[in-house]
Amino acid sequence: DTGVSQNPRHKITKRGQNVTFRCDPISEHNRLYWYRQTLGQGPEFLTYFQNEAQLEKSRLLSDRFSAERPKGSFSTLEIQRTEQGDSAMYLCASSLEAYEQYFGPGTRLTVT
Amino acid sequence: AQSVTQPDIHITVSEGASLELRCNYSYGATPYLFWYVQSPGQGLQLLLKYFSGDTLVQGIKGFEAEFKRSQSSFNLRKPSVHWSDAAEYFCAVASSNDYKLSFGAGTTVTVRA
Repeated sequence: DTGVSQNPRHKITKRGQNVTFRCDPISEHNRLYWYRQTLGQGPEFLTYFQNEAQLEKSRLLSDRFSAERPKGSFSTLEIQRTEQGDSAMYLCASSLEAYEQYFGPGTRLTVT
Repeated sequence: AQSVTQPDIHITVSEGASLELRCNYSYGATPYLFWYVQSPGQGLQLLLKYFSGDTLVQGIKGFEAEFKRSQSSFNLRKPSVHWSDAAEYFCAVASSNDYKLSFGAGTTVTVRA
């Protein structure tokens, strides 16, 4: 069990650029979640997958955000035309069915 | 929709002293409750969870929490803190439908020597 991994750990981009983050869940975990955490706040739910199906998207997830989980393994989160307000820590978590979620170290995005 | 309130933004405690972090939740049905800890630059680590049964739950690192339905609370305690317990602590609640977590704003714990 190597835990949840996320890449990159840090990303600095200019406003208007597209960015993509990757999350590798714990093997055999069929649920995968994305959260966003801004400074001084708790994480906020963005979206989650059960296997390859995206089952729910938060209203926080604007049309510029898209997430995929092909083949029910790793997941990617893409942000198009980044804005300064997108600067945050993006956290990925995985779980086996409905049990507790295990979090990765996060990807810190800075939009300049 | 469920929500969590952590009334204390910052707590300072002496090493060896006891610690209690407050958490109040709002949810119509029986909640699933969690405490996570986050060290600087790190992801969240699960300390303990409550799903059902005994209302006093034990977790890792010597932490425990008590679920009190009448008070809608799930407070975290540790009898004697260590300097390594300095971190940010998050309480979270999940519904039984989809298990997505709703977090409180967190409590930062500082441990003084």
